[in-house]
Amino acid sequence: AQSVAQPEDQVNVAEGNPLTVKCTYSVSGNPYLFWYVQYPNRGLQFLLKYITGDNLVKGSYGFEAEFNKSQTSFHLKKPSALVSDSALYFCAVRATGAGSYQLTFGKGTKLSVIP
Amino acid sequence: ETGVTQSPTHLIKTRGQQVTLRCSSQSGHNTVSWYQQALGQGPQFIFQYYREEENGRGNFPPRFSGLQFPNYSSELNVNALELDDSALYLCASSLGTVSYEQYFGPGTRLTVT
Repeated sequence: AQSVAQPEDQVNVAEGNPLTVKCTYSVSGNPYLFWYVQYPNRGLQFLLKYITGDNLVKGSYGFEAEFNKSQTSFHLKKPSALVSDSALYFCAVRATGAGSYQLTFGKGTKLSVIP
Repeated sequence: ETGVTQSPTHLIKTRGQQVTLRCSSQSGHNTVSWYQQALGQGPQFIFQYYREEENGRGNFPPRFSGLQFPNYSSELNVNALELDDSALYLCASSLGTVSYEQYFGPGTRLTVT
């Protein structure tokens, strides 16, 4: 069975500082990895994905994530946090094999950027 | 380009009743997935529809069923509602079934009393 762990329920960071939201995964074979963000009373918005190729993936709003196969991690990063980045962030994984339709999400990490 | 829309926004039902939730996929997307998001949790996969056929199912009982129509819109039906069915139900559409990112609607908040 595939799974995602987001070890921090909440991350606090000062505006202008770099931020990291951690994610580790477990899946049979190679993974497809995704990050989504959820604002209050809104659906999830796609940020970025890793499918294959370069381990550093760049996405929307200045976010990036690094795929590390040996550590089975896919941490989300941003060089300089904005107050508007405050939201709930979800990491998700899907296996790459035939019939691999299920996207499995972590429990989410609440990011608070302090002015 | 129209995004994913869901209706209704909120719904209150009584235990034992049946409910139908609706989703219109983003233009050009042929795949729709449904998720249940309980309070404080990540979304849990219910099932996926691809070109009007169920393409995969998560760990949900048969009283959760769905449909996809020729225009790729979709319905989620839940029979014999239980209190634990209270959650945010999210619909997501995508261009394909595996490597493509999913685009989510705003969700339907279901409360079962």
